[in-house]
Amino acid sequence: EVQLVESGGGLVKPGGSLRLSCAASGFIFSDYNMNWVRQAPGKGLEWVSSISSGHSIYYADSVQGRFTISRDNAKNSLYLQMNDLRDDDSALYYCTKDAWVAAHFFDHWGQGSLVTVSS
Amino acid sequence: EIVLTQSPATLSLSPGERATLSCRANQSVSNFLAWYRQKPGQSPRLLIYDTSNRATGIPSRFSGSGSGTDFTLTISSLEPEDFAIYYCHQRSTWPPKDIFGRGTRLDIK
Repeated sequence: EVQLVESGGGLVKPGGSLRLSCAASGFIFSDYNMNWVRQAPGKGLEWVSSISSGHSIYYADSVQGRFTISRDNAKNSLYLQMNDLRDDDSALYYCTKDAWVAAHFFDHWGQGSLVTVSS
Repeated sequence: EIVLTQSPATLSLSPGERATLSCRANQSVSNFLAWYRQKPGQSPRLLIYDTSNRATGIPSRFSGSGSGTDFTLTISSLEPEDFAIYYCHQRSTWPPKDIFGRGTRLDIK
């Protein structure tokens, strides 16, 4: 069974930093593209960043230059380093998995990790 | 840049009725269009991928169709668990990014 378990969220002041982790199991992690998607309270879904199995990396314009995605295939883990956090970065951050190589959709989502940016 | 517009924003129907949800792109997109359902307090769940393929375990009352700029999710007969928010999703190849529609809330009438 595929499992994605996020951790690392919390309350942080504007300008602060936080690192999210996603522990993956139930599939060969190194073979799949992985992603972060966020959802502000009461709002819709917003893609944040993706990292391919070959370590190609993409970011949404809203986080470019502030967030860094990475993966450790030996630890079956995905990360999101978030720096210079702003109020509008407050959201539930989901770890998602692409369905297969060259898929264009997410077949599994974690339960999310809540990030609150507030002074 | 691709923008996905979902309509209606809110749809009020009764159990057993048919629901038709729309997702329109501002430019012609590939058929790599997916739909997710998000129940209150839960993570989104994949329903349909590549416009018309049901995901594993998704019942046959869900169907997807469309091409070009207009895509539709149809629920043939609403069950209580279908009252939720539905999002469409498309991945653009350049610039490489994932785009979501703003969602359609399906309410019990």
